[in-house]
Amino acid sequence: GDSVTQMEGPVTLSEEAFLTINCTYTATGYPSLFWYVQYPGEGLQLLLKATKADDKGSNKGFEATYRKETTSFHLEKGSVQVSDSAVYFCALRRQGAQKLVFGQGTRLTINP
Amino acid sequence: GAGVSQSPRYKVAKRGQDVALRCDPISGHVSLFWYQQALGQGPEFLTYFQNEAQLDKSGLPSDRFFAERPEGSVSTLKIQRTQQEDSAVYLCASSLDETGTYNEQFFGPGTRLTVL
Repeated sequence: GDSVTQMEGPVTLSEEAFLTINCTYTATGYPSLFWYVQYPGEGLQLLLKATKADDKGSNKGFEATYRKETTSFHLEKGSVQVSDSAVYFCALRRQGAQKLVFGQGTRLTINP
Repeated sequence: GAGVSQSPRYKVAKRGQDVALRCDPISGHVSLFWYQQALGQGPEFLTYFQNEAQLDKSGLPSDRFFAERPEGSVSTLKIQRTQQEDSAVYLCASSLDETGTYNEQFFGPGTRLTVL
């Protein structure tokens, strides 16, 4: 079945550091890929998405590129801030389906 | 309302009790989803409605779990004879379901269920 694997957390970085959170997936066909973020005390929010191979999703300085050949959708940000501290979830939605399949989440803490 | 709302936000139940969790989707949203999020894990799909029709219930873990959306708006997730393994955060999401566009799922804050 479809699945998403994220890098183990927690991840702790200093402010202005470069961030990468790895995400790989298993799915048939061409799923859509997403990153969701959950800030402390808040609900899940869509951060960015990509719907086909080689698409790059971007938002709030975060980027992720849909790599079909490596079945990956790694999240990157060039310079993190304390306000980026949250739990990040990679997810996919199979073509023609409605439900989302999530990874286990990666907790990110940014220290000033 | 402005977003998806869920109630109660926290629920403590004794093992064997029945519970009912409510979701109010964004007004006008056609699709409604329930997910279960265990501690330290990602959300897992439970069931999906399009208006009042339950189109997919493949994620419901047992016949103790039942969901309904009788008028195509508010939804209730009911868990009968709760067990300790049912302890989790239950998330509701809704989407517009407009043809030809990507339909973002908007999530509510969740109901944290603790079964003692």
